[in-house]
Amino acid sequence: AQRVTQPEKLLSVFKGAPVELKCNYSYSGSPELFWYVQYSRQRLQLLLRHISRESIKGFTADLNKGETSFHLKKPFAQEEDSAMYYCALRTQGGSEKLVFGKGMKLTVNP
Amino acid sequence: NAGVMQNPRHLVRRRGQEARLRCSPMKGHSHVYWYRQLPEEGLKFMVYLQKENIIDESGMPKERFSAEFPKEGPSILRIQQVVRGDSAAYFCASSRDSTGNTIYFGEGSWLTVV
Repeated sequence: AQRVTQPEKLLSVFKGAPVELKCNYSYSGSPELFWYVQYSRQRLQLLLRHISRESIKGFTADLNKGETSFHLKKPFAQEEDSAMYYCALRTQGGSEKLVFGKGMKLTVNP
Repeated sequence: NAGVMQNPRHLVRRRGQEARLRCSPMKGHSHVYWYRQLPEEGLKFMVYLQKENIIDESGMPKERFSAEFPKEGPSILRIQQVVRGDSAAYFCASSRDSTGNTIYFGEGSWLTVV
């Protein structure tokens, strides 16, 4: 069965501090991993997908198949990064749904 | 492109009433997904539809919930005889035809059952 685990529910840091949002997954196939961000009562927005290997808003994430992880990192957090962050796995085959982790609330304090 | 449009944004229903949530996918998208977000929880997959077909409804409760995506018009998630536990945010998402395309989300519909 597919599963995405975000072990921490809350993370609070000061502006300028590094952040790492952890994500581990369980999937028997070849995984496609995403990070979505949800600002207060807004829609989920795609932040990163692992196949793009790009940096968005200073965030990066590397897929580590050995550790089955896709941690999200940013070296210097900004107040506007405060949001809910969801790691997601896309299943393949007949039903390409996204399986989400429970999310993690990041608060960046001034 | 207006993005994925959901309405209503907020809906209040009394126990036992019916709730209908509508979702218009992005232009050119023929795949629609519904997710439910309970308070303090992540998003849980409910159903995946293409035009006139239900592809995967493995996340749908067996009773009272149904979804459709007709040839014309929006996708509709219908909840009959609502109960307090149905109170949640319901998010719709859409993607293009081809495999591997990005899934885009709507702003959600917040259902409150009183």
